[in-house]
Amino acid sequence: DAEITQSPRHKITETGRQVTLACHQTWNHNNMFWYRQDLGHGLRLIHYSYGVQDTNKGEVSDGYSVSRSNTEDLPLTLESAASSQTSVYFCASSGQVNTEAFFGQGTRLTVV
Amino acid sequence: KNEVEQSPQNLTAQEGEFITINCSYSVGISALHWLQQHPGGGIVSLFMLSSGKKKHGRLIATINIQEKHSSLHITASHPRDSAVYICAVRPRLGGGADGLTFGKGTHLIIQP
Repeated sequence: DAEITQSPRHKITETGRQVTLACHQTWNHNNMFWYRQDLGHGLRLIHYSYGVQDTNKGEVSDGYSVSRSNTEDLPLTLESAASSQTSVYFCASSGQVNTEAFFGQGTRLTVV
Repeated sequence: KNEVEQSPQNLTAQEGEFITINCSYSVGISALHWLQQHPGGGIVSLFMLSSGKKKHGRLIATINIQEKHSSLHITASHPRDSAVYICAVRPRLGGGADGLTFGKGTHLIIQP
């Protein structure tokens, strides 16, 4: 069965370190997204990609970057982790516009 | 700016009750999603609507485009329905990617 997986599920890192969260989907979807979820906020878009070599900034992109070298993967990199980036991160993918979105299980990141 | 408001924020009900969760948004949209998130779990897409009504098992979702309002109903509620229910909309113009804007969620607890 097709799926979308995130790794790691939990991560603790120190302030200032570079961290990369992985997202891998086997749906063959062109569209992939990274969101963060914080108490008191809804999910907020960090970065997204419409296809290979395409990346775009979302609402809360400062301090994050993504790259899309193939259809299956959209890794999210925190250049220099900050305590404000402690959050739960969700990756999602979808096929065409206005089709169902599929979400990963989430990565809980703690920056100490 | 597109705002998505959900009500109630928290809802506790007895098993078997009919549940209604509401979602209002402020701009024209091309699609509305209802998502379910269990504690510590991932996010699952329940419905995607652009008009009318959809039904899946005990779940019913309706949308009124003119009123900018959607409802999620659960019939014969069960403790396993306990979860956070999230409304998300894709604005008709702009917004980036699928441009999903999320509500903060409704935390539903069904007591046996």
